[in-house]
Amino acid sequence: DADVTQTPRNRITKTGKRIMLECSQTKGHDRMYWYRQDPGLGLQLIYYSFDVKDINKGEISDGYSVSRQAQAKFSLSLESAIPNQTALYFCATSDFGLAGDTDTQYFGPGTRLTVL
Amino acid sequence: QKEVEQDPGPLSVPEGAIVSLNCTYSNSAFQYFMWYRQYSRKGPELLMYTYSSGNKEDGRFTAQVDKSSKYISLFIRDSQPSDSATYLCAMRSTTSGTYKYIFGTGTRLKVLA
Repeated sequence: DADVTQTPRNRITKTGKRIMLECSQTKGHDRMYWYRQDPGLGLQLIYYSFDVKDINKGEISDGYSVSRQAQAKFSLSLESAIPNQTALYFCATSDFGLAGDTDTQYFGPGTRLTVL
Repeated sequence: QKEVEQDPGPLSVPEGAIVSLNCTYSNSAFQYFMWYRQYSRKGPELLMYTYSSGNKEDGRFTAQVDKSSKYISLFIRDSQPSDSATYLCAMRSTTSGTYKYIFGTGTRLKVLA
């Protein structure tokens, strides 16, 4: 089984609808992230959470909200979807260990979201 | 100006060629430098990382960091068709409690058999 799973994998919705993307991980990591990926813009950080009680905005949080239900679960919501939120969304986890170092990010398979 | 700049490609090379992928950056606070590989329809996966300046080698891959020039490189020797993917550089800093983990836009590489 994959360590980081995302549901759904594909979603088509209409402008104004509320959408939730879910992420689960079995890696036991404390840190979780939501990114969106657009052609030519690369990965942009939406929100990140260093533990269940710690949630922070990333570069592009407007129009998004998150919920960290447990160490293993981190959900991203679009309260009222708009067409320019059409993108590939990735969840990632990391474990900032005692050695510090890279804070390697482990990514899920992505959710392709289309807002019409 | 973006903090991290990366040529999007695509870069097409014949099998067996040496590939050079590069990123430049502007923030001198970056301390950790990573290369991720992303296959089509998959999430990125870590390929190499380097702390501060210097070289690191792992099999056919070599990562170089030149902090004085704010320039990092990934070299792939004896490139294979299976190396065809998008390569993303990434950089991390933690300054004054502010967490930064920035990705480049990625370079698409095609290795032709």
